[in-house]
Amino acid sequence: AQTVTQSQPEMSVQEAETVTLSCTYDTSESNYYLFWYKQPPSRQMILVIRQEAYKQQNATENRFSVNFQKAAKSFSLKISDSQLGDTAMYFCAFGAGNMLTFGGGTRLMVKP
Amino acid sequence: GAVVSQHPSRVICKSGTSVKIECRSLDFQATTMFWYRQFPKQSLMLMATSNEGSKATYEQGVEKDKFLINHASLTLSTLTVTSAHPEDSSFYICSAQEGPSGDTQYFGPGTRLTVL
Repeated sequence: AQTVTQSQPEMSVQEAETVTLSCTYDTSESNYYLFWYKQPPSRQMILVIRQEAYKQQNATENRFSVNFQKAAKSFSLKISDSQLGDTAMYFCAFGAGNMLTFGGGTRLMVKP
Repeated sequence: GAVVSQHPSRVICKSGTSVKIECRSLDFQATTMFWYRQFPKQSLMLMATSNEGSKATYEQGVEKDKFLINHASLTLSTLTVTSAHPEDSSFYICSAQEGPSGDTQYFGPGTRLTVL
């Protein structure tokens, strides 16, 4: 079974600054995928970024990038130039087969 | 693209009644759909996985007779909470996946169920 750990229950950042959210996972799978999802107050889960484990290059989506350290089983999310609209719960998720396992979430507050 | 809808967004029902929640993939055909439950301030817990035309696969601890799942077409899955009780009150979220295993899941907006 897979486990996903997000060690930061809450974080805050000033608008326009950079913040990094941590995620570690434990698995014996060799073929898997990693995701970051955002859940704003509306509670709609929104895909932020996806990383295939077989790819060494870190995924990037505009202001969002990941630091994928496969040997360390670490998958952190960096948000650059934080915006007020980035305020949300962020969930790290591990995917293998059809199964998604979610971390406990990090509540991010962007302050003006 | 990759839009998933859920209906209703909120429902209040009396204890002992049944409630049906619909999940639709609007702009793609979903080979697999998933149902999650989310308690306040907690993460998502997978309840079941369904493939079109097949019986759903339920996670351990989820009562299949209580949470009936039907995946009648490649764009529609329904979750029926039968004989609902107050402890079934929760936020239910569906997701849909177009491609094979490993493809991205896209989530619906969720349904808040309150059982009185």
